[in-house]
Amino acid sequence: EVQLVESGGGLVQPGGSLRLSCAASGFPFSSYWMSWVRQAPGEGLEWAANIKQDGSEKYYVDSVKGRFTISRDNAKNSLYLQMNSLRAEDTAVYYCARVLGTSYFDYWGQGTLVTVSS
Amino acid sequence: DIQMTQSPSSVSASVGDRVTITCRASQGISSWLAWYQQKPGKAPKLLIYAASSLQSGVPSRFSGSESGTDFTLTISSLQPEDFATYYCQQANSFPYTFGQGTKLEIK
Repeated sequence: EVQLVESGGGLVQPGGSLRLSCAASGFPFSSYWMSWVRQAPGEGLEWAANIKQDGSEKYYVDSVKGRFTISRDNAKNSLYLQMNSLRAEDTAVYYCARVLGTSYFDYWGQGTLVTVSS
Repeated sequence: DIQMTQSPSSVSASVGDRVTITCRASQGISSWLAWYQQKPGKAPKLLIYAASSLQSGVPSRFSGSESGTDFTLTISSLQPEDFATYYCQQANSFPYTFGQGTKLEIK
C-alpha cells in the first residue's frame, strides 16, 4: 500500500524557516517524480514544486522560487521542502504527492499545516 | 502561466442526477489534464488523467472528455459519496496550475 506521511509543519514567524518532511513507503520511491502541493485555508490547490527521480531536475512556482528548496533522499525514501523567508501568504496545508509519469498526482499524504504569523 | 477556469463554481444536484463540470484552459494543453475530487479535511483524489483516462479504482460513472481547450468531467449518476469539491489541473507545462474548484452540493 502506498503511504505518504508528512511532518514538520507548525507555527512560524514571518521571515522564519521550516523544513517539511515526507516519508514514503509501499512503492519504489527512487523511481518516481515527487511533488509538493499546498492549499491555503478555505482556498484551492496550488502546485509548489516538483523533483525528478534522481534530484537532477527541480521546478517551482514563481511565488516560492528562491525561498523554497525541494530535495529528496532516496536511501531514506524521503522527500523534503526547506522553506525560508516565510510569509503570511505561505500559510497552507502542504501535501506531499507522488507524480504519475511526470504530470499528475496519483497519491497524496494527509498534509501538514504551516502557519506563518507573528 | 496557463490559467484554468472552471464552471460552475458550485452546483446543487440530487442523487441519481447527471452532472457536468467544465474546465477551460487559457491556451492549448493537448490532453494534459487531470480531475481530482476533494472532501472536507481530506487530501485530493485523482479521478481522471490525460483528459479521459480513468484512474484505477475510480467508479465508471466518472468520465472525462475534451474539445479543444475545453474539458469536461461528467458524473453519470450521482451517488451520496460524490458530494465534494472537484478540481482540474493542467500538466502541459510548468507551473502546473489548478482550476479554482467546483463545489458539488446536495439539493
